[in-house]
Amino acid sequence: SQQGEEDPQALSIQEGENATMNCSYKTSINNLQWYRQNSGRGLVHLILIRSNEREKHSGRLRVTLDTSKKSSSLLITASRAADTASYFCATDARTGGFKTIFGAGTRLFVKA
Amino acid sequence: EPEVTQTPSHQVTQMGQEVILRCVPISNHLYFYWYRQILGQKVEFLVSFYNNEISEKSEIFDDQFSVERPDGSNFTLKIRSTKLEDSAMYFCASSETPQGAEQYFGPGTRLTVT
Repeated sequence: SQQGEEDPQALSIQEGENATMNCSYKTSINNLQWYRQNSGRGLVHLILIRSNEREKHSGRLRVTLDTSKKSSSLLITASRAADTASYFCATDARTGGFKTIFGAGTRLFVKA
Repeated sequence: EPEVTQTPSHQVTQMGQEVILRCVPISNHLYFYWYRQILGQKVEFLVSFYNNEISEKSEIFDDQFSVERPDGSNFTLKIRSTKLEDSAMYFCASSETPQGAEQYFGPGTRLTVT
């Protein structure tokens, strides 16, 4: 699989439920970020977790990072219809330059 | 709130033509990026740019592509001879610092090559 692969590819839940999305990556990273994209729009940064951190919270978002398993998860609690979007993880690879690699994304659909 | 802007929002061009996509990054940002997203697929890194030179580029960014910061505000992506497979959304992004910083994305330019 490629750097930054998310699963599931698609997730459909009811409003009020929690949504969990996972991301795996292959190379060493400096940090991992999660972005959101509404259909046909630009990406919006949600949260960044550094390689020496294990968990981070921001509002209804909780991100975990396990560098030994090269994986991360994004949990959205008490989901709302407005959370319907695609969610991507992105990693900053440890290269000589500045390169961010995005995963394939999880399409989240929250039913009202 | 400052934002990244991109023009045009939609560009239609014929195969073989040159296109220039324009971006105005956030004014105090120093690092600039171009990405593309083919419909329904993932966001792909094209190039990063800092201090008036390319920092890193992907295998997609071949000799047909070039970037430039012609003045203090604009950041452009040029595709010299477009191919059908260049049809995609192209996103510009900028950040204050490099790795480890939030990137601010523009709304994108939809490029259609016919």
